[in-house]
Amino acid sequence: AQTVTQSQPEMSVQEAETVTLSCTYDTSESNYYLFWYKQPPSRQMILVIRQEAYKQQNATENRFSVNFQKAAKSFSLKISDSQLGDTAMYFCAFPGVNDMRFGAGTRLTVKP
Amino acid sequence: NAGVTQTPKFQVLKTGQSMTLQCAQDMNHEYMSWYRQDPGMGLRLIHYSVGAGITDQGEVPNGYNVSRSTTEDFPLRLLSAAPSQTSVYFCASIRGSEQYFGPGTRLTVT
Repeated sequence: AQTVTQSQPEMSVQEAETVTLSCTYDTSESNYYLFWYKQPPSRQMILVIRQEAYKQQNATENRFSVNFQKAAKSFSLKISDSQLGDTAMYFCAFPGVNDMRFGAGTRLTVKP
Repeated sequence: NAGVTQTPKFQVLKTGQSMTLQCAQDMNHEYMSWYRQDPGMGLRLIHYSVGAGITDQGEVPNGYNVSRSTTEDFPLRLLSAAPSQTSVYFCASIRGSEQYFGPGTRLTVT
């Protein structure tokens, strides 16, 4: 079975600092995608970043980057220069056969 | 292009009542799905559809029905609401590897 684990239920970071959210997954597939979604208080699910497993280069989107370790099945999200608007739930997700498997989420609070 | 829309945004039901959560997309995506989101559990798949006329169960289908008569619409029916169905419900459509989520419906069953 494909599973996604986020071991940090809550995290906090000072504004302008860097924070890393952890995610591990389990799959027997060799080629796949991995995603990080952000869910602010508005409840909308927003795609933050996507990584293709066959690409060795870590994906980057502005202040968001990933550390993808395929052998270790690890997919962490780094947020640089944290902003108050980054306060949200963050979900790691992995596409299954017919659905997207989500981790339980990490609640990130950015403190002024 | 409205993307994925859901109605209502909020709903309160009494135990035993039935209702339908509406979902529509205007992107002509074949694949659509319904998730529920509960605290500490992320999103879990309820039902999905790979095209008009085709639906199947996900991880937590009990107490819910779906139908897909058109590509655009994928309603979720609660047959007899129970307090355990209190949750936030998301509809999504998929193109390739990317999911497009609706804004969600917060449902409370008392």
